[in-house]
Amino acid sequence: GAVVSQHPSRVICKSGTSVKIECRSLDFQATTMFWYRQFPKQSLMLMATSNEGSKATYEQGVEKDKFLINHASLTLSTLTVTSAHPEDSSFYICSARTGERNTGELFFGEGSRLTVL
Amino acid sequence: AQSVTQPDIHITVSEGASLELRCNYSYGATPYLFWYVQSPGQGLQLLLKYFSGDTLVQGIKGFEAEFKRSQSSFNLRKPSVHWSDAAEYFCAVRLGAGGTSYGKLTFGQGTILTVHP
Repeated sequence: GAVVSQHPSRVICKSGTSVKIECRSLDFQATTMFWYRQFPKQSLMLMATSNEGSKATYEQGVEKDKFLINHASLTLSTLTVTSAHPEDSSFYICSARTGERNTGELFFGEGSRLTVL
Repeated sequence: AQSVTQPDIHITVSEGASLELRCNYSYGATPYLFWYVQSPGQGLQLLLKYFSGDTLVQGIKGFEAEFKRSQSSFNLRKPSVHWSDAAEYFCAVRLGAGGTSYGKLTFGQGTILTVHP
């Protein structure tokens, strides 16, 4: 199947700093990517939809100024956690869709674990 | 809004035993249904999906799931569990075809599977 890669897989940062996470579709073009967040022992929650060449669409309750999303090319979306705080520590997973809108499968990256000290 | 419920947070089975993981959804129309598996610290891998047609769906790794409209259920089954099946399993629902919601998945809370030798 298609491959979606995230980098870094793990990152530790100090409170107040910003962290960028990359999501790449390695063997297909993805006009749309999705960013999810997973707290320990909880399910995945959709944060935002990343659209190539346009602004991201954020889910209710997600701060767009804190979680900056850029989708500059058909194979790369980035999530920047600005001024990170310990409560932002989480597992962030991206996914990208292939194929036709109605039946295209979503492929998930390996996830990026953020720990804010 | 649609919702997904996985009633069992944690299931333990012996290797070689059969397995059934429950999933119930709440949605006005027939949704697109998925089962994903997540190993510790990893992203999600698609096991199988149901869009339409035959209500018994075969997936990878010997898994199958049956869509039962009358019960709003999409339970995952495997006749003989292997130790390597130990992981967390997520049922997910996607809104119907097209539109801005085509890629949005709503996940259940997840079921952790432990396999005893």
